[in-house]
Amino acid sequence: RKEVEQDPGPFNVPEGATVAFNCTYSNSASQSFFWYRQDCRKEPKLLMSVYSSGNEDGRFTAQLNRASQYISLLIRDSKLSDSATYLCVVNTHTGTASKLTFGTGTRLQVTL
Amino acid sequence: NAGVTQTPKFQVLKTGQSMTLQCAQDMNHEYMSWYRQDPGMGLRLIHYSVGAGITDQGEVPNGYNVSRSTTEDFPLRLLSAAPSQTSVYFCASSPLGRGQNEQFFGPGTRLTVL
Repeated sequence: RKEVEQDPGPFNVPEGATVAFNCTYSNSASQSFFWYRQDCRKEPKLLMSVYSSGNEDGRFTAQLNRASQYISLLIRDSKLSDSATYLCVVNTHTGTASKLTFGTGTRLQVTL
Repeated sequence: NAGVTQTPKFQVLKTGQSMTLQCAQDMNHEYMSWYRQDPGMGLRLIHYSVGAGITDQGEVPNGYNVSRSTTEDFPLRLLSAAPSQTSVYFCASSPLGRGQNEQFFGPGTRLTVL
């Protein structure tokens, strides 16, 4: 079983739609969680951290369920510019450093 | 600030050749790392460093060497390139700590080994 699992998609949605991505992780000792965005042939960039209480940044809402080891990302009112691959990232702290484990990503294509 | 820079952007090697991928950051980050990204595999950690003079292996270190003589630079050396090392390589840096630290990635190096 992969440490971090995501549905690879692609998710094809029309502009204005709401779309949700899910991610599960296997290491119950994982301590921090992130969503990164990666545009085609570009580097990953941090979209948002994910907190236990859930957090929102504009049209983006992230949720964490530690008991189920499940992370989600909700995008409301999708824009063409949201088309990208969304990477779920789990951080497990070991000694002085952290181990980041990346999911393979979920591809989103927003269309007119 | 330039952030994280990587050179070259593209490289084609023949099997058995060696080369060094360069990575530099100007944010005074203690933590630097190298990942490779392959289709269907996600990013996998090759080597990382928590400060000058300190390096350690990640998930897929075989065939690669690193050194960290300064805070700014973290080169990745391919000792004898193999077709299995065809990939996109990303360097990343962040402050050292146990908290919610954002990783800053360089633009990547696309390597093809023939």
